[in-house]
Amino acid sequence: IQMTQSPSSLSASVGDRVTITCQASQDISKYLNWYQQKPGKAPKLLIYDASKLEVGVPSRFSGSGSGTDFTFTISSLQPEDIATYYCQQHDNLPPYTFGQGTKLEIK
Amino acid sequence: EVQLVESGGGLVQPGGSLRLSCAVSGFTFSSYEMNWVRQAPGKGLEWVSYISSIGSTIFYADSVKGRFTIARDNAKNSLYLQMNSLRVEDTAVYYCAREVVYDAFDLWGQGTMVTVSS
Repeated sequence: IQMTQSPSSLSASVGDRVTITCQASQDISKYLNWYQQKPGKAPKLLIYDASKLEVGVPSRFSGSGSGTDFTFTISSLQPEDIATYYCQQHDNLPPYTFGQGTKLEIK
Repeated sequence: EVQLVESGGGLVQPGGSLRLSCAVSGFTFSSYEMNWVRQAPGKGLEWVSYISSIGSTIFYADSVKGRFTIARDNAKNSLYLQMNSLRVEDTAVYYCAREVVYDAFDLWGQGTMVTVSS
């Protein structure tokens, strides 16, 4: 299964609503996770099973979608959200395929 | 403290071997499935290998199959990755990651750098 994220990079202003999409090459039901990786740090799990918020993750982060098309949204961008975001499918294992990443920058 | 700490990275020549370790603390290691994930410099995340909680089920990415071996010692709270026949393209930061029941990686180590170069 191939995972295609878009855009590959994104520049937005503090307070903006930010949306990243992830498309699977075949139906993966709801089995999609989203991770945040800040420079020089390990990834952090934000969303699992497409729309479930990991414990401790701020509610401005959300996810939606099923089948082949998924969306990750930050409702109001904060300076600390600057990072690269990755989707990951876990329907057809192995492998646990990651998307290529979306680098988010502040405008 | 709940944490994963990788070690064993370094510089190795093509064709050489390295053994990575991941020391676990703060949770019941034997209850969790574990994975290795790598990230080449400036690139994205690539899943490498999976091992079930008791080591009975193992998976590898095609890119490392036949060269890498994942193992665990639940008595020592440790995860391992034996890497043989290393290639330049294996150069990356290697992370160990805990997998939870909903097939997500909820806890990651800080990573250990492996550089394959002559």
